[in-house]
Amino acid sequence: DTGVSQDPRHKITKRGQNVTFRCDPISEHNRLYWYRQTLGQGPEFLTYFQNEAQLEKSRLLSDRFSAERPKGSFSTLEIQRTEQGDSAMYLCASSPGGSIGSTGELFFGEGSRLTVL
Amino acid sequence: AQKITQTQPGMFVQEKEAVTLDCTYDTSDPSYGLFWYKQPSSGEMIFLIYQGSYDQQNATEGRYSLNFQKARKSANLVISASQLGDSAMYFCAMREGGSGANSKLTFGKGITLSVRP
Repeated sequence: DTGVSQDPRHKITKRGQNVTFRCDPISEHNRLYWYRQTLGQGPEFLTYFQNEAQLEKSRLLSDRFSAERPKGSFSTLEIQRTEQGDSAMYLCASSPGGSIGSTGELFFGEGSRLTVL
Repeated sequence: AQKITQTQPGMFVQEKEAVTLDCTYDTSDPSYGLFWYKQPSSGEMIFLIYQGSYDQQNATEGRYSLNFQKARKSANLVISASQLGDSAMYFCAMREGGSGANSKLTFGKGITLSVRP
């Protein structure tokens, strides 16, 4: 399968612990996005990479959140000192970006569900 | 102001009938794209259909069509011949700027569709 993969699919942690999620995009895609989705809501944009450069961060991304894409391939999203309000589904998406004929469609992974107790 | 508005409560449709899911959007950018995604209970986001702001004709993809009314800033999704497997959350999303720009999508809150046998 060559789609977007995320790991872990589920994470339960205690408040105050750190968690890290990994995303492997579709291999030829140079753009990678992180979104957060809470129950009954639409996905909310967190941050975006083009290759290894982080080009945009949402105000939702507090200083406890950090994302990296060190070699322009996989990405990690780390949440430090987790709070109960961080409980959500964290979605990763990728796109080829900018290619002629591209619609800008995002290809999503299945998400990483975080529960903070 | 919200960029994407989906205000319908949960929608119900009889199997084999057509249903329209409403979406209005707000942007001052002359170049933009509109997307619909389906999210079944399993959680993955499935791309359904795309409409570019300069496209002259309404987009169609199989049983899905997009009723694009630019002056009204609406992009309603029409599903024909509903199937039980169409039961899911449906999200309308917008990309501002051309596809060569940052293709971050802004999502609405979604609409729940239930198909009755």
